[in-house]
Amino acid sequence: QQQVKQSPQSLIVQKGGISIINCAYENTAFDYFPWYQQFPGKGPALLIAIRPDVSEKKEGRFTISFNKSAKQFSLHIMDSQPGDSATYFCAAFYSGGYQKVTFGIGTKLQVIP
Amino acid sequence: DGGITQSPKYLFRKEGQNVTLSCEQNLNHDAMYWYRQDPGQGLRLIYYSQIVNDFQKGDIAEGYSVSREKKESFPLTVTSAQKNPTAFYLCASSIGRANEQFFGPGTRLTVL
Repeated sequence: QQQVKQSPQSLIVQKGGISIINCAYENTAFDYFPWYQQFPGKGPALLIAIRPDVSEKKEGRFTISFNKSAKQFSLHIMDSQPGDSATYFCAAFYSGGYQKVTFGIGTKLQVIP
Repeated sequence: DGGITQSPKYLFRKEGQNVTLSCEQNLNHDAMYWYRQDPGQGLRLIYYSQIVNDFQKGDIAEGYSVSREKKESFPLTVTSAQKNPTAFYLCASSIGRANEQFFGPGTRLTVL
């Protein structure tokens, strides 16, 4: 059972464009939603995270939009650069128990010049 | 330099052999985790540990075992009972529940 659904699985964006990756979750007990960036052969690194008491969080070119009623959240990468080419994972955590840690399937982003 | 180290980076195993993957952290984190990553799939939780001498099964614990004798170390043993062990294994740690998880560089295990 996939508790966090991530789309698209792959994305090609031109340099300077906006990359948008979406995630939807099922369990309303989730209370922490991070996005991770992973380069080939490396471990994931936290990019940005949000808690459900805010609807948007921005850090540099990266923004999370959060819709609690729709149980959806998305990552927006503004002014996408070739160096952003990586795999992005959303995740949902429940602070009350580790069994609710769930990652999305991942989105492979390619930014072309 | 604080962080998480995993060794070896690449590991080859013959069928029927047990192998142990190392994970060490010097971040003074209480919680540690092991994940498995397969192509086209998200990270799946194998085992986690909140404190020394305590650990819990994740979603796919069958064929794996762990120990947590020291706060800094959380080794994972892939046993011969794991039917499809070829994968990328990631270790992570965090200060507490639902806080940022810091990941190690991973170990790629291949069964020959």
